[in-house]
Amino acid sequence: GAGVSQSPSNKVTEKGKDVELRCDPISGHTALYWYRQRLGQGLEFLIYFQGNSAPDKSGLPSDRFSAERTGESVSTLTIQRTQQEDSAVYLCASSPMGLGAETQYFGPGTRLLVL
Amino acid sequence: AQSVAQPEDQVNVAEGNPLTVKCTYSVSGNPYLFWYVQYPNRGLQFLLKYITGDNLVKGSYGFEAEFNKSQTSFHLKKPSALVSDSALYFCAVRDNGGYQKVTFGTGTKLQVIP
Repeated sequence: GAGVSQSPSNKVTEKGKDVELRCDPISGHTALYWYRQRLGQGLEFLIYFQGNSAPDKSGLPSDRFSAERTGESVSTLTIQRTQQEDSAVYLCASSPMGLGAETQYFGPGTRLLVL
Repeated sequence: AQSVAQPEDQVNVAEGNPLTVKCTYSVSGNPYLFWYVQYPNRGLQFLLKYITGDNLVKGSYGFEAEFNKSQTSFHLKKPSALVSDSALYFCAVRDNGGYQKVTFGTGTKLQVIP
């Protein structure tokens, strides 16, 4: 079946502009995660959605970052007034409830470059 | 709070030699432990996991990992390294309770030298 998809695959923007990144999880997966990976570095947790529960936003680095998720489907990560330090690959992952809930399935990422 | 430590930024090993990539963790309850691999210019792929049962877990591509509760470790191992194993490896942990947030380590770059 289809995996996690993300769009756009690449995004170049100017400092100060807003950007919106999209994640389509695997159908039926209730949990959805956003991570940031700067060049040559590890995964930085941003936000976690689980079903209809309140999202865990503890990883969002500033109030310029926000994310929404409609039910158990698409999620968008919005970065307002982008800064050069926002340049990174933004990864989305989803996982199911119940059996197999432990494993995350990652999308290919969106590579963001802020000039 | 849960955490993962990967003490080595990079591990170099000669092709054909055994390899170990280290991981230690901290979690309040019993852990679920994972290894993911990221090949150059590709997304993260699941490699193996420990949930319960046998402490030695076997995964994809000949990799295995041993859960050691007393040492809170989950080191990744392979008996004979291949050049194609060169990649970035991430260890991850979550509590085995209902909350599914997963914490990743900072990653270890494995370089297998021909």
